[in-house]
Amino acid sequence: GAGVSQSPRYKVAKRGQDVALRCDPISGHVSLFWYQQALGQGPEFLTYFQNEAQLDKSGLPSDRFFAERPEGSVSTLKIQRTQQEDSAVYLCASRDQGASQPQHFGDGTRLSIL
Amino acid sequence: AQKITQTQPGMFVQEKEAVTLDCTYDTSDQSYGLFWYKQPSSGEMIFLIYQGSYDEQNATEGRYSLNFQKARKSANLVISASQLGDSAMYFCAMSAPYNFNKFYFGSGTKLNVKP
Repeated sequence: GAGVSQSPRYKVAKRGQDVALRCDPISGHVSLFWYQQALGQGPEFLTYFQNEAQLDKSGLPSDRFFAERPEGSVSTLKIQRTQQEDSAVYLCASRDQGASQPQHFGDGTRLSIL
Repeated sequence: AQKITQTQPGMFVQEKEAVTLDCTYDTSDQSYGLFWYKQPSSGEMIFLIYQGSYDEQNATEGRYSLNFQKARKSANLVISASQLGDSAMYFCAMSAPYNFNKFYFGSGTKLNVKP
C-alpha cells in the first residue's frame, strides 16, 4: 500500500484482557516506531525497530507491553492484562533512511479499556 | 533528556491571515532535526516541514515556513494565508541527536481558523 496501515481502527476490551495491534509499514521502510497518544497530548515514544531488531524499547510503560517485528515488515504491539490507563491512541510510523526523512504515520488504533 | 515546548495550547487566526506557532527545544547537541506535523480531528499525523540543525536557510514548503533560530533554540512554524482546512493540532518534533530515528514531540497547539 501507499501508506502505513494499522488495524483495528478501534478496539474495545475489558480490563484484564490481552490485545494485539497491527502495523503494516510503507514498503521498504527499514525503521518502524510505536507511539502512545493520550487525548490532547503529543505522541509518546514506546519502541522502535530497525528491520526485525528492536533497538529501543525504553518507552514501554511496563512489562505488560510487548512489541515484535519478526520478519522486518509487519509489527504487532501486544498489551497483556489491560488496565484502564492503557486507553489511548496507539500510533505506528515508519521511516526511510536519511537524517531528513520524516516519520510517516498510520491512522492509529483507538484503544478503550472498560 | 530532550525536551520540546509548545507554549500555545490554542490559537485563533482569521482566514487568509498568517499565523506563527511557537516551538522551543532543549538540547546540548549540535546535530538534530526538527519536524512539524499536522493532526486534523480525523487523527492522522501529516508531515509538513523539516529543518536540519546545520541548514543555514529556513525551510519552506508551500504555505509553510520554519523560522529557525538556532541560538535561541526555537523552530517556529509560520503558516501564510490561512485556510479553513488548516484548523487542526500542530506538533513540533525533534529527532534525537545523532540518532535520527528517535523523535520527541511537543504537547501541540490547536489552531482554529475563523471564516
